[in-house]
Amino acid sequence: DVKVTQSSRYLVKRTGEKVFLECVQDMDHENMFWYRQDPGLGLRLIYFSYDVKMKEKGDIPEGYSVSREKKERFSLILESASTNQTSMYLCASSLWSGRVSNEQFFGPGTRLTVL
Amino acid sequence: ILNVEQSPQSLHVQEGDSTNFTCSFPSSNFYALHWYRWETAKSPEALFVMTLNGDEKKKGRISATLNTKEGYSYLYIKGSQPEDSATYLCAFRQGAQKLVFGQGTRLTINP
Repeated sequence: DVKVTQSSRYLVKRTGEKVFLECVQDMDHENMFWYRQDPGLGLRLIYFSYDVKMKEKGDIPEGYSVSREKKERFSLILESASTNQTSMYLCASSLWSGRVSNEQFFGPGTRLTVL
Repeated sequence: ILNVEQSPQSLHVQEGDSTNFTCSFPSSNFYALHWYRWETAKSPEALFVMTLNGDEKKKGRISATLNTKEGYSYLYIKGSQPEDSATYLCAFRQGAQKLVFGQGTRLTINP
């Protein structure tokens, strides 16, 4: 079974703090993704990575950065957390697609509250 | 940013009834259409990946159809059960690696 784990289920931080969200997958997937989910908006892609040290901006990268030093681990960094970054954050991984139909496997999510 | 629309946004159905909902997506540059089920406090899990116009997929009481020419997919649930309560997400494959998600349909089954 593919397993994607995230470091915390719930996190409360203060405005201006630096926040690290960690994601680990155990299936040797090349691709890893960070999404946020807000009511009525669905999942929106923040960043993704298709290889170690490689990253690409998604649709809403502002205020975020990422790090992928090892294939199995993909970190999302909020350099200076703000209240509008209060959200559910989901990590996912998938195989590199030459296969059109490859699915993404998701972690359980981290609900981040910024006060 | 591509637009993927799901309707309705929420749905309440009586146990035993059948239901369906819609995902609309761009009809050009189609790679694949994914359906996920996301139960509360769990990870989203894949239901179907559909790649060909006219595709029909089935898993138990849940089935899906795909029309890539007009840009829509239907998800059907036959004889709804309480365990079907979840948010159902569709996602359009934009290029080879990325998915663009709709806002989801939140389904509640009333016993």
